[in-house]
Amino acid sequence: AQTVTQSQPEMSVQEAETVTLSCTYDTSENNYYLFWYKQPPSRQMILVIRQEAYKQQNATENRFSVNFQKAAKSFSLKISDSQLGDTAMYFCAFLNTGGFKTIFGAGTRLFVKA
Amino acid sequence: SQTIHQWPATLVQPVGSPLSLECTVEGTSNPNLYWYRQAAGRGLQLLFYSIGIDQISSEVPQNLSASRPQDRQFILSSKKLLLSDSGFYLCAWSKNRVMYGYTFGSGTRLTVV
Repeated sequence: AQTVTQSQPEMSVQEAETVTLSCTYDTSENNYYLFWYKQPPSRQMILVIRQEAYKQQNATENRFSVNFQKAAKSFSLKISDSQLGDTAMYFCAFLNTGGFKTIFGAGTRLFVKA
Repeated sequence: SQTIHQWPATLVQPVGSPLSLECTVEGTSNPNLYWYRQAAGRGLQLLFYSIGIDQISSEVPQNLSASRPQDRQFILSSKKLLLSDSGFYLCAWSKNRVMYGYTFGSGTRLTVV
């Protein structure tokens, strides 16, 4: 069974600085998808970024980018120029190709300090 | 555009009482629908998912059940709540091609007392 591990329960970063959230996963599959979701204090969970395992190029969405290391089964999220609005719980998630069930990690709570 | 509605936002129920949480999606047809439960420090646990009317899969044995009476409606129910049912419940939908990710509802905070 696939598992997703986020080893950092909490992190903090100063506004305007860069922070990296870690995520590792375990799977025997070769094709899959990885996601980062953000859950702000208002609780509405939103998709931040997604990565297709067969693509070597790391995904980027504005200030958010990932470092996808397939051999190491690592999928970290980098937030550049952190803003107060980035304060949230961040979840790493895994989906098998052709699957319906997304597996989530336990989350990392990020605090952006002014 | 597609929207997802989930209600109620908060609920306090006594042990042994029934439960009904509703989730509806607008602006799309034949969505995949999901119920997750979020516990503090434990991430999201998939409870049920449905790829069509009358096609519901249960992931966790428990006293909860799910139904999909209409294409875009997903209901989470219980006949008798337990204290352990307390938590934050999230409904989500995805296109048939799940690889594009989920859209989540705003969640229901359930407290069983």
